[in-house]
Amino acid sequence: GEDVEQSLFLSVREGDSSVINCTYTDSSSTYLYWYKQEPGAGLQLLTYIFSNMDMKQDQRLTVLLNKKDKHLSLRIADTQTGDSAIYFCAARGAGKLIFGQGTTLQVKP
Amino acid sequence: EPEVTQTPSHQVTQMGQEVILRCVPISNHLYFYWYRQILGQKVEFLVSFYNNEISEKSEIFDDQFSVERPDGSNFTLKIRSTKLEDSAMYFCASSSEQYFGPGTRLTVT
Repeated sequence: GEDVEQSLFLSVREGDSSVINCTYTDSSSTYLYWYKQEPGAGLQLLTYIFSNMDMKQDQRLTVLLNKKDKHLSLRIADTQTGDSAIYFCAARGAGKLIFGQGTTLQVKP
Repeated sequence: EPEVTQTPSHQVTQMGQEVILRCVPISNHLYFYWYRQILGQKVEFLVSFYNNEISEKSEIFDDQFSVERPDGSNFTLKIRSTKLEDSAMYFCASSSEQYFGPGTRLTVT
C-alpha cells in the first residue's frame, strides 16, 4: 500500500541549516506537503510542492523533490529555537493525505 | 487569514458513550476531511466528504463513525459508541490544500 517514511529525530545548533528527509511510495502522488506540529497543537501547513516541480523556496524554507527516487526534503535555513517541533511529510494522491511518522527537530542554543 | 476551527478542544467521555466532534471549515471550500492521530503515531485518514456525501473512507471508519454537514457551515464527526482505542487527536481539514484545524483531543475512559 501507500507509505511515507521519515527519520524520527534531528538535532541541530541554532543558526545551522536543518534538512529533513522523506520518501514515499506512491508515484502517482500529485502534491507533497510539509506540516509543522508544536507540542499540544494542530498541524500547521508550512509549504507544498506540485509533483512536476523540482524545487520550491519560501523564505527560510526550501523543498527539494526527486520524483525519480520519490524523495522529498525540507531545508530550514538559519534554524531558530522556535523551529523546534515535529515535522510531517505527507503525499497526496487522489484526495487523501498519507503521512509520515514525523521528524522531531531539536534546536540547541 | 481564514482558518478551520474545531470544538471542543478536549472531550472526555466514558466508553460506550456517543460523541460529536465539530468543525467549521473555511468557507467556499468544497472538500472536507477527518483525520486522527493516536498519541505517538502517524496521522491517519478517516474520511473525505464532497458534495454532501462521503467520497472516500478508510478501514478505520467503520459503522461506529458517521459524518454530516448539517447546516452548510458545520462539519461533524460522530462516534456512536466510543471505545478506549478511539482516544486520539481528531483533525478536520478543508480543501485540497488540506488546511487543518487545531484538533479535538478525545479521551475515552
